[in-house]
Amino acid sequence: GAVVSQHPSWVICKSGTSVKIECRSLDFQATTMFWYRQFPKQSLMLMATSNEGSKATYEQGVEKDKFLINHASLTLSTLTVTSAHPEDSSFYICSARVRGGSGSGANVLTFGAGSRLTVL
Amino acid sequence: GDSVTQMEGPVTLSEEAFLTINCTYTATGYPSLFWYVQYPGEGLQLLLKATKADDKGSNKGFEATYRKETTSFHLEKGSVQVSDSAVYFCALKESNTGKLIFGQGTTLQVKP
Repeated sequence: GAVVSQHPSWVICKSGTSVKIECRSLDFQATTMFWYRQFPKQSLMLMATSNEGSKATYEQGVEKDKFLINHASLTLSTLTVTSAHPEDSSFYICSARVRGGSGSGANVLTFGAGSRLTVL
Repeated sequence: GDSVTQMEGPVTLSEEAFLTINCTYTATGYPSLFWYVQYPGEGLQLLLKATKADDKGSNKGFEATYRKETTSFHLEKGSVQVSDSAVYFCALKESNTGKLIFGQGTTLQVKP
């Protein structure tokens, strides 16, 4: 089945540095990828939707200059947390939608295992 | 906006016990409803779904029925196993935007 790989699975960084998280679709092409953020004991909050070859669409309240999203190919999207601060510490999860096809498989979302960011 | 509310966890059960995890939603339009499961160290996986009122989704012994009158989609399983220990997320797909809105997740711990 479709697999989405996220890397790194956890990262610790100093305040003020930038961190890049990668989301790869391993055995399928993904025209659309979604980035979520999850706070402890809270639901997944959609941050942005990225479409291959175009600018990401950010949800209200998400700083696009803070959370840079690039979707340069059909198998890779990256989230860069710029000038990270302790309040950016969170669990970030990506998901990918299978490209094309017919039937129910075309609209299946596959999730990565998530990346835990801790900013000191 | 649309929202999903799940019962707080953790839920701790003995093996072979009956499971219910409550989920209610508020939505405009007619959303599709989902249950996702996240096993330790893995990504969210779709467990089951229902796309219209009175539909019953089922998979791996889990069931949930789309109840429009009570705006609920409770997850049930007749006899849980230790391997069912995971975090369960209820979600809806907004009918106008297609976005997934998640509940906060419920941790299930099944003890032998």
